[in-house]
Amino acid sequence: DTAVSQTPKYLVTQMGNDKSIKCEQNLGHDTMYWYKQDSKKFLKIMFSYNNKELIINETVPNRFSPKSPDKAHLNLHINSLELGDSAVYFCASSPLGTQNEQYFGPGTRLTVT
Amino acid sequence: SQQGEEDPQALSIQEGENATMNCSYKTSINNLQWYRQNSGRGLVHLILIRSNEREKHSGRLRVTLDTSKKSSSLLITASRAADTASYFCATRGNNRLAFGKGNQVVVIP
Repeated sequence: DTAVSQTPKYLVTQMGNDKSIKCEQNLGHDTMYWYKQDSKKFLKIMFSYNNKELIINETVPNRFSPKSPDKAHLNLHINSLELGDSAVYFCASSPLGTQNEQYFGPGTRLTVT
Repeated sequence: SQQGEEDPQALSIQEGENATMNCSYKTSINNLQWYRQNSGRGLVHLILIRSNEREKHSGRLRVTLDTSKKSSSLLITASRAADTASYFCATRGNNRLAFGKGNQVVVIP
């Protein structure tokens, strides 16, 4: 009955590899997000989708590509991983757009070696 | 871009005491939200205050908003060990939430 779920929880990989993180929400929300939290706990938005349509695309390397197959899912694919990509990635969702409270997943800790 | 900045960065208190955190921001907002993050977990929404509101309560939480000073405060009364967490303010504007750096609060039993 988890509201926002992410898989995997931990991801350790080598530089240059390609990896994906999956996110699903069962709250019926229309808007979903990807955030990156660095080692100093600074949380920065990367992408936002509203009903499968990209509405926010921050200055993120194009190695990062989000995909939303339906409004309950928002996946994040990362190509050619770099050391600086190591962080915790959070998926979130919100009802009726971006001005409401957001519900966060448990996070995926990505470590690039 | 607007971004909440919490102050102080770290706070250590005894159980039963009150904890107060402040947040300042730079531009106009639609609302301001506070979130809690326990270690190794995702953020949990605590309370939302709209730009036309000055104070809001939810259980042991009290939030104030002063739009003239572009600042907000979060008060946790009668703190418990379970309140140990990082607390983030987030300002809603420009079609997104911008999060501050977070306050680490440690409640000592």
